[in-house]
Parts: sequence; C-alpha cells; structure tokens
Amino acid sequence: AQSVSQHNHHVILSEAASLELGCNYSYGGTVNLFWYVQYPGQHLQLLLKYFSGDPLVKGIKGFEAEFIKSKFSFNLRKPSVQWSDTAEYFCAVNAGISNYQLIWGAGTKLIIKP
Amino acid sequence: NAGVTQTPKFQVLKTGQSMTLQCAQDMNHNSMYWYRQDPGMGLRLIYYSASEGTTDKGEVPNGYNVSRLNKREFSLRLESAAPSQTSVYFCASTGLAGPPQYFGPGTRLLVL
Repeated sequence: AQSVSQHNHHVILSEAASLELGCNYSYGGTVNLFWYVQYPGQHLQLLLKYFSGDPLVKGIKGFEAEFIKSKFSFNLRKPSVQWSDTAEYFCAVNAGISNYQLIWGAGTKLIIKP
Repeated sequence: NAGVTQTPKFQVLKTGQSMTLQCAQDMNHNSMYWYRQDPGMGLRLIYYSASEGTTDKGEVPNGYNVSRLNKREFSLRLESAAPSQTSVYFCASTGLAGPPQYFGPGTRLLVL
C-alpha cells in the first residue's frame, strides 16, 4: 500500500537556523506532491505543490521543496526560520488513486525558539 | 470571504447517537472534502464531492453518510456514533478538480 513517511514528529530549532523536514513516499509511478501547514489556531493551508517540471518548488513565506525522484523524497526547506514558522507541517502525495485522493504523512510539529 | 466554515467546533456524543457536521464555503468552489485526523496519523479522506449532487467514497467511508445539496454546503452525518469515530474532522474545498486547497477549522468529536 502507498504510504508517506515524515521522519520527525517534533523538531525544535532556534531562530535563524536552517530547516529541512523530510518526506518520503512509497509509490513508483507518477506523483503529485504537496506540503501543507497549520499555524497555531489557524486552518490548514497549502504551502506548496509539485506537479511536473522544475523539481525545486518555491512556496509561500520563503519555503521551498525539492522533488528527488530517485530517492522518493520531497523534503521541505527554509534557509533561515523565524518564530512565526512555528506550526505543524504535513506532506501529502497524490499517487494515482484518483486526481483528488491524497496520502498524508503524520505531520511534523516545528517549534522555533525565539 | 469567510472561506470554509464548520459547525460545531466541539461535540460530545454517546455511542449510538447521531449527528450531522456542517460545512460551508463561500468561494464558489466545485470540489469539497471531508477528512478525519487521528493522533499520530495523517488525514484520511472520508468522502469527496466533485460538484453539487455528486459524492464519492474516500479511504474510510464506513459509518458515515454525506450530502451535497448545493454548491456551498457539504454535510457529514454519523447515523450511529461509535467510539472509533472519535476524531477531528476537517472539511476542505478547492476550485479546481484535484487536492484540497482551503480547509475549515475542524470539529473535535468525542464519542463515549
């Protein structure tokens, strides 16, 4: 069965540190990839998405993610985090089930210390 | 725009009781979704609606029914609640066919 794995359930960083959140999926075919974010007290929202083309995708608030097909990975990165990046981050994959069905990772809670 | 709204925010039910979770969006979106989120797990799709009057089962539809009577509203009904349905329920929508883009605030449901 297809699955999505987010390596870390909790990450704690200091402001200005670099961030990389891991996401791996298990599916050998064509995939569409997504990162969602839920800030404290706010709704879940789409951060960035990859459908095709340049494997380096830029999203909102300075986030980017790189699709590495050979590694089945779609890691989320930010060069310098801010306290306001404290949130829960979810990776999700559309893996050929249908055009609307996503397989979701369990999420990574990111805490940024001021 | 209010975006995607859900009611209620919290609910406690006894086993066997029924209830309907309401969801509405004011963005004129065609596609709407119902998800559940359980601790330590990713979101799982319960039902999906591509347009008014159409619904499709998702990954975990058992024990739920849905209704998409108009473009704005997509309700989720639990006919006979079970403790296994204790979860946080999210409604979502998108203007294009495909994965969800906008989510509601969630409904926390506890079934005793």
